[in-house]
Amino acid sequence: KAGVTQTPRYLIKTRGQQVTLSCSPISGHRSVSWYQQTPGQGLQFLFEYFSETQRNKGNFPGRFSGRQFSNSRSEMNVSTLELGDSALYLCASSPQSQSSYEQYFGPGTRLTVT
Amino acid sequence: AQRVTQPEKLLSVFKGAPVELKCNYSYSGSPELFWYVQYSRQRLQLLLRHISRESIKGFTADLNKGETSFHLKKPFAQEEDSAMYYCALSRNTDKLIFGTGTRLQVFP
Repeated sequence: KAGVTQTPRYLIKTRGQQVTLSCSPISGHRSVSWYQQTPGQGLQFLFEYFSETQRNKGNFPGRFSGRQFSNSRSEMNVSTLELGDSALYLCASSPQSQSSYEQYFGPGTRLTVT
Repeated sequence: AQRVTQPEKLLSVFKGAPVELKCNYSYSGSPELFWYVQYSRQRLQLLLRHISRESIKGFTADLNKGETSFHLKKPFAQEEDSAMYYCALSRNTDKLIFGTGTRLQVFP
């Protein structure tokens, strides 16, 4: 099976702009989670979608939003970008087995806000 | 609140030395615990999970509920083990909560 893919891989935006990141999960996976990775804070959970519904949300401001489509692909949107939003944004998909919550990660989108 | 603590940001050892990466968690229920690894320029990937009780690449981790720990161990470190290691907790197939990570450096 193909792994989790994320587009674009790199992005440079200016403060105040908005950005949309895309994630395609592994075929058959219905859960998609998003994380922000920074050197200072490590991996922080943003939100998780399952069957087009947001099931969990982390402690991020409302500028961060997402959605999931019927084919399980997901997008994440950040509005009114701030310098502190510069980070690697990781998407992960899961088969959602009952026995564990193993996640498969994409390569990430490196967002730089100037 | 659920929390995962990895007290060491950096752990440096020589090749052949034993390695123990510490992970402590706080959770009132029955957690599922994982170790994820990120090698240089590679994506984050699952190393092992406590329910499998398996050894991957020579690494093992035992869940100690009394001490709320899930330390990662390897008897003889190899240079290719150098990477960033993250301990993670899942509660009832809910979201993953990650620790801040420990960078393992294995010197020749």
